[in-house]
Amino acid sequence: AQKVTQAQTEISVVEKEDVTLDCVYETRDTTYYLFWYKQPPSGELVFLIRRNSFDEQNEISGRYSWNFQKSTSSFNFTITASQVVDSAVYFCALSEFPVHTGTASKLTFGTGTRLQVTL
Amino acid sequence: DAGVTQSPTHLIKTRGQQVTLRCSPKSGHDTVSWYQQALGQGPQFIFQYYEEEERQRGNFPDRFSGHQFPNYSSELNVNALLLGDSALYLCASSESPTDTQYFGPGTRLTVL
Repeated sequence: AQKVTQAQTEISVVEKEDVTLDCVYETRDTTYYLFWYKQPPSGELVFLIRRNSFDEQNEISGRYSWNFQKSTSSFNFTITASQVVDSAVYFCALSEFPVHTGTASKLTFGTGTRLQVTL
Repeated sequence: DAGVTQSPTHLIKTRGQQVTLRCSPKSGHDTVSWYQQALGQGPQFIFQYYEEEERQRGNFPDRFSGHQFPNYSSELNVNALLLGDSALYLCASSESPTDTQYFGPGTRLTVL
């Protein structure tokens, strides 16, 4: 069974601080995808990134960066120089790729980390 | 380019009633997935539709059913509503069952 753990329930930072959101996953499959989504107060989940299990390169997109380490089953997300607009709930998710069905399965989400950025 | 749209935005029902939620996928997307998000929790997968068939289902009772139409839009039906069905229902669409899912704004269902 697949599982995603986001141990940090809530994080508060002051604007311009760097912040890292932790994500640890469990899966028995060798092929899978990892995701991060942002959920602002409006409720809509906004896609941020998708990585497959064979690509452990870290990725940077503006102030966002992601660190994928298969050895520790972690896919952490760092926001550099945080801004008030970054305040939201952030979800890490896992999607297995069962070879026998040939289709990606459901997204399994963690419980989310609420990030509060204040002035 | 319109994103995923859902209707209605909010809905209030009483126990035992039935409800239908609607979703239109992004242009070019043919796969629709539905999720239930209880307050303070992560979304839970209900089911996925592709080629007008239910392709995969999560751990939800048969009271939850769905449909996909030839234009790829989808409906989620919930019968015999329980208080515990109160949640935000999210629809997501993707270019195929293997691609990234993009979410709509959700329908907030309250069961009294």
